[in-house]
Amino acid sequence: QKEVEQNSGPLSVPEGAIASLNCTYSDRGSQSFFWYRQYSGKSPELIMFIYSNGDKEDGRFTAQLNKASQYVSLLIRDSQPSDSATYLCAVEFSGSARQLTFGSGTQLTVLP
Amino acid sequence: NAGVMQNPRHLVRRRGQEARLRCSPMKGHSHVYWYRQLPEEGLKFMVYLQKENIIDESGMPKERFSAEFPKEGPSILRIQQVVRGDSAAYFCASSPAGRHSGANVLTFGAGSRLTVL
Repeated sequence: QKEVEQNSGPLSVPEGAIASLNCTYSDRGSQSFFWYRQYSGKSPELIMFIYSNGDKEDGRFTAQLNKASQYVSLLIRDSQPSDSATYLCAVEFSGSARQLTFGSGTQLTVLP
Repeated sequence: NAGVMQNPRHLVRRRGQEARLRCSPMKGHSHVYWYRQLPEEGLKFMVYLQKENIIDESGMPKERFSAEFPKEGPSILRIQQVVRGDSAAYFCASSPAGRHSGANVLTFGAGSRLTVL
């Protein structure tokens, strides 16, 4: 069974702090990893994707991938109230032909 | 608007009726995916299509659900004889062809919210 696990939260951080969101996955052979943000009642929108071990930075967002530990995380620096949303981790499992498996999401609230 | 277009945005059906949801992929994209999101749950893969071909339908319920992506026109997700448990948000996503970096990045439409009375 190929699974993507996330803490459902809610996770609350004060404005300006670093928010850390974590995700583990079951298939060691997975190659592609994605973070989406979903505001309530809206569709998911891509934040970042990462394919290689290590860190990938884009503005205030950093994705971290550790394939040996089957772990991918998203750090949000200088969190803003507008970052309050549900963050979805998605994995393209090996042999799944572009199908993404999503975690259940972590609800983040940034407190002003 | 060059994004993924879905319609209708909201659909209300009574039990036993049929629901048809349509999706036009982003310009330049040839791969279409349907996902379902039940209230307070994550996105669940349903089906992956290219023009005139179903590539992966491993997430589709065995009965009442079907999908197509004809040579001309939008992709259609069809739910026959709807039941209350079908009430959900149905999201369509698209991606470009090829295997270059980022080719498997999905762009989502705004979703179609089905309510079954």
